[in-house]
Amino acid sequence: AQTVTQSQPEMSVQEAETVTLSCTYDTSESDYYLFWYKQPPSRQMILVIRQEAYKQQNATENRFSVNFQKAAKSFSLKISDSQLGDAAMYFCAYRSFDSGGYQKVTFGTGTKLQVIP
Amino acid sequence: DAGVTQSPTHLIKTRGQQVTLRCSPKSGHDTVSWYQQALGQGPQFIFQYYEEEERQRGNFPDRFSGHQFPNYSSELNVNALLLGDSALYLCASSFEGALSYEQYFGPGTRLTVT
Repeated sequence: AQTVTQSQPEMSVQEAETVTLSCTYDTSESDYYLFWYKQPPSRQMILVIRQEAYKQQNATENRFSVNFQKAAKSFSLKISDSQLGDAAMYFCAYRSFDSGGYQKVTFGTGTKLQVIP
Repeated sequence: DAGVTQSPTHLIKTRGQQVTLRCSPKSGHDTVSWYQQALGQGPQFIFQYYEEEERQRGNFPDRFSGHQFPNYSSELNVNALLLGDSALYLCASSFEGALSYEQYFGPGTRLTVT
């Protein structure tokens, strides 16, 4: 079974600085998707960024970028120029296929990011 | 375009009771997944509905059941509530034909069992 591990329960960053959130996963598949989701205190989960495993280029969305290391099964999220609105729980997620060929998403336990003014 | 909506926002029930949670998917989406998120944890997959049928199920007992309607909206039912069922229940919708399987989440229903 696929597992997703986020080893940093909490992180903090000064406003305008850069922070990196870590994620590792375990899989035997060669083609898959990885995601980072943000869940602010208001609760609604929002997709931050996605990475397709067959693409070597790291995904970037404005201030958010990933460092995807396929061989190491590592998928870290870098937030540049941190803003107060970035404070939230961040979840790493992995898309896989079950035995029936249906897609499912497995989430990590999350990292709580605090942004210090 | 309305995103994923869920109702109610909060719910308080007593042990042994039954509860029904509702979800309307994002426009154009045909697949609905339900997750249970305990405090301080990541979402745990309960089940997924597509074409009005449950096609995947996580490690949850039969007390958890669901339904999908022709308009793609969905319900989650939990019978014989236990204290451990207290959690945030998230609904996520997606489009089956999308390669990336990007899910859009609703705001959740906070269930408290006393």
